[in-house]
This record gives sequence, C-alpha cells and structure tokens, in this order.
Amino acid sequence: EPEVTQTPSHQVTQMGQEVILRCVPISNHLYFYWYRQILGQKVEFLVSFYNNEISEKSEIFDDQFSVERPDGSNFTLKIRSTKLEDSAMYFCASRDRAGGYTFGSGTRLTVV
Amino acid sequence: RKEVEQDPGPFNVPEGATVAFNCTYSNSASQSFFWYRQDCRKEPKLLMSVYSSGNEDGRFTAQLNRASQYISLLIRDSKLSDSATYLCVVTYTGGFKTIFGAGTRLFVKA
Repeated sequence: EPEVTQTPSHQVTQMGQEVILRCVPISNHLYFYWYRQILGQKVEFLVSFYNNEISEKSEIFDDQFSVERPDGSNFTLKIRSTKLEDSAMYFCASRDRAGGYTFGSGTRLTVV
Repeated sequence: RKEVEQDPGPFNVPEGATVAFNCTYSNSASQSFFWYRQDCRKEPKLLMSVYSSGNEDGRFTAQLNRASQYISLLIRDSKLSDSATYLCVVTYTGGFKTIFGAGTRLFVKA
C-alpha cells in the first residue's frame, strides 16, 4: 500500500533555531498538507499546497512557517526561530483528486 | 461554537457491543466528510468517507445529515482492536482546508 514518508521521526532543537521537516507524499497525489498535534490535543490544519502554491492556510501558519516542494517528490515544512510552544507532532498528508487524506507517521518536534 | 464538535467520551463498551459516535459541524459550506481513527501517538488513518446516502463498510456504518449538519458512525460487534480515538473530519474549499474534531476515545473490553 502506498504511503507518505516523513523524516526525521523525532527532532530535538533549541529554541530560536530553524527546523525543516521533510515529507515524501504518495507519488500520484496532487494535494499536500501539513498538520500539527500538540500532545493531548486535537489535530490542527496548518496549510494545503497544490500546483506549487499554497491553497489554504490556517491562522497558525504565520510568517514563522513556510512550505516548499523543492523537487518532484519532496514536500517540506520550515519553522523559523522555533518557540517552546512549537513542540508537537507534525503530520504530512497527501491525497488524490477524489480520495481521503493519507497521513505520514509524523515528526515529533521537541523544542528545548 | 466549535467548527466540529464530537461526543467527549470516553466510551467503555464490552466486546460485541454496538456503539455510536456523533459529530456536528457549524459551517454549512462544508463539502466532504470523513471518519478517521487514531491510535495512541500514531497518525490518523482513514476509516471511511461519509456520504449523504449513508455508507457501510463491514461492521462500520456512516451517515450524513446535511440539513442538521450532523455526522454519525456506528460500530457493530465491537472488537478489542477497535479501541482507538475516532476523529470526525470536515473539509471546505474543495478539500483544501480540513477541520478535525477533538475525537472520541473508545475502549473495548473483553
């Protein structure tokens, strides 16, 4: 079964540093997403990406965040100047035109 | 009012029981609806899409009532492996924006 791959599985970073979370969506999917889930809380939408541009973003996705599809396979989320409250599980997801969203196994980001 | 609201749970049921989860959404422009399950510290996994005509997949039945802005999930003959958190998901703007409910925790006991 095709899967969404995320790396690293766990990232520890110091407050104020920049991190890049990486995702390889399912190859024939066209729509890409990032979500986060703070421990014990609900899954929150961050951003959707289609046709090499952002389609929608939430109020969480401010200037601290950016996304990029640098080549035909990778989809990245960059978080600049990380804060303690950025500690969360970050999920990447992709979907084709009609289907549901397939999630990667997530990157656990810990900001210390 | 929350955009997507679910029964708070947890639900504790014996094996073989039938259990129903409810979900309401506030935005009438919502377009697509899904139920996901999430195991502890794992990614959400698609359980089923939800259609106005209702749909069934084995022991699972999902219903959508657009007029009442209400979605339901029925699990029959519960198994121990059904223990998880069930997430109601609503999408907008052609699927570009997704809103998750907070989830309902289910414990199935032997």
